[in-house]
Amino acid sequence: DIQMTQSPSSLSASVGDRVTITCRASQSISTFLNWYQQKPGKAPKLLMYTASTLESGVPSRFSGSGSGTDFTLSISSLQPEDFATYYCQQSDTIPWTFGQGTKVEIK
Amino acid sequence: QITLKESGPTLVKPTQTLTLTCTFSGLSLSTTGVGVGWIRQPPGKALEWLALIYWDDDKRYSPSLKNRLTITKDTSKNRMVLTMTNMDPVDTATYYCVHRLGGKLAFDYWGQGTLVTVSS
Repeated sequence: DIQMTQSPSSLSASVGDRVTITCRASQSISTFLNWYQQKPGKAPKLLMYTASTLESGVPSRFSGSGSGTDFTLSISSLQPEDFATYYCQQSDTIPWTFGQGTKVEIK
Repeated sequence: QITLKESGPTLVKPTQTLTLTCTFSGLSLSTTGVGVGWIRQPPGKALEWLALIYWDDDKRYSPSLKNRLTITKDTSKNRMVLTMTNMDPVDTATYYCVHRLGGKLAFDYWGQGTLVTVSS
């Protein structure tokens, strides 16, 4: 299985901060990498697919980059509604696997 | 607007078989490229993909659970069913029904999830 490792596991940030989350795959996955946002008690929501394509309706302050094994999700100016847990997921090889999550908390 | 909704038991005993149903609207499982599947999340833990069935009845399973899972679809009733045999307390999780479109290669629609507890 391809292992997905996110860093950090959690972070504290303030409204307006720029936030960057990293995801590393245990082998090359080209750009077959997706990002999801999950709020407590809710289903995950797709933010980004194929590493850098913004899902319809997702604010432009979210951006994604990377290819191969290293990927990043950035939030340019953190908003109150962005406090959540973020997961990366590879869609290159079955089983499709997720990272362990990065919890973004209010400082 | 695509919606998916999970239904099934909230409590199962160890060794029993779990049957979960996903009822959906706004999509057709006879449309080329469409897939519907299951992802689970144990309390406080990360997400785990389980299975997916495509419009052409092609089925994909997580290798670690393949022997325990069966996924089927009823296109005429807009429904998909997952069975998981030999349930164990470690299978306690919220089970999500998800939609995947071939071109996007991502799970773009999710059901609200259903919590299944495995306990005697």
